Amino acid sequence: SAVISQKPSRDICQRGTSLTIQCQVDSQVTMMFWYRQQPGQSLTLIATANQGSEATYESGFVIDKFPISRPNLTFSTLTVSNMSPEDSSIYLCSVAGGGVVDEQFFGPGTRLTVL
Amino acid sequence: QKEVEQNSGPLSVPEGAIASLNCTYSDRGSQSFFWYRQYSGKSPELIMFIYSNGDKEDGRFTAQLNKASQYVSLLIRDSQPSDSATYLCAALNAGNNRKLIWGLGTSLAVNP
Repeated sequence: SAVISQKPSRDICQRGTSLTIQCQVDSQVTMMFWYRQQPGQSLTLIATANQGSEATYESGFVIDKFPISRPNLTFSTLTVSNMSPEDSSIYLCSVAGGGVVDEQFFGPGTRLTVL
Repeated sequence: QKEVEQNSGPLSVPEGAIASLNCTYSDRGSQSFFWYRQYSGKSPELIMFIYSNGDKEDGRFTAQLNKASQYVSLLIRDSQPSDSATYLCAALNAGNNRKLIWGLGTSLAVNP
């Protein structure tokens, strides 16, 4: 499976600021996804990052709040904008493509705390 | 609304026993099913996937799929304390932009 890295691994931010999270894969992948996972909860899909075009957002998530870039097949960024304490969560990127059934593999996650 | 349901647990089993984790799904168009293990503070790790009716075995793990009943299960034989984690079930509908539908997870505790 692909090796996936995320930066930063954790951060503590002040409300009203923005944080950009990077996701890097060691091989080209078809699909990249961004998830949020709040403590004790399951995974919530934020958006699908599309290479060379605008991301596809899930209901409840908007581009102004969570702008996403995917300039190539191995890299994507998620920005959490104008943060509030409610944005405190773990943010995960996942990748798929090339597997038997497009199984998804996850990066290590970014733990974000907003004060 | 497409859903995947799991018993939240906690499921507690003694070391060496068989742990049985269950999952039902509502979307009959779902084609592939996945079991992920998530340790506290870590990201989900893919354990197994299954897409054909019947059983699929990998070491101590067996995934079972019954599409008629819309039911997926994961059996863990000879459970070890290191198996203690949350197990997430997910379903994939190829026509759904490759998005996974996730269950809420079942917490498993294996007691020494």
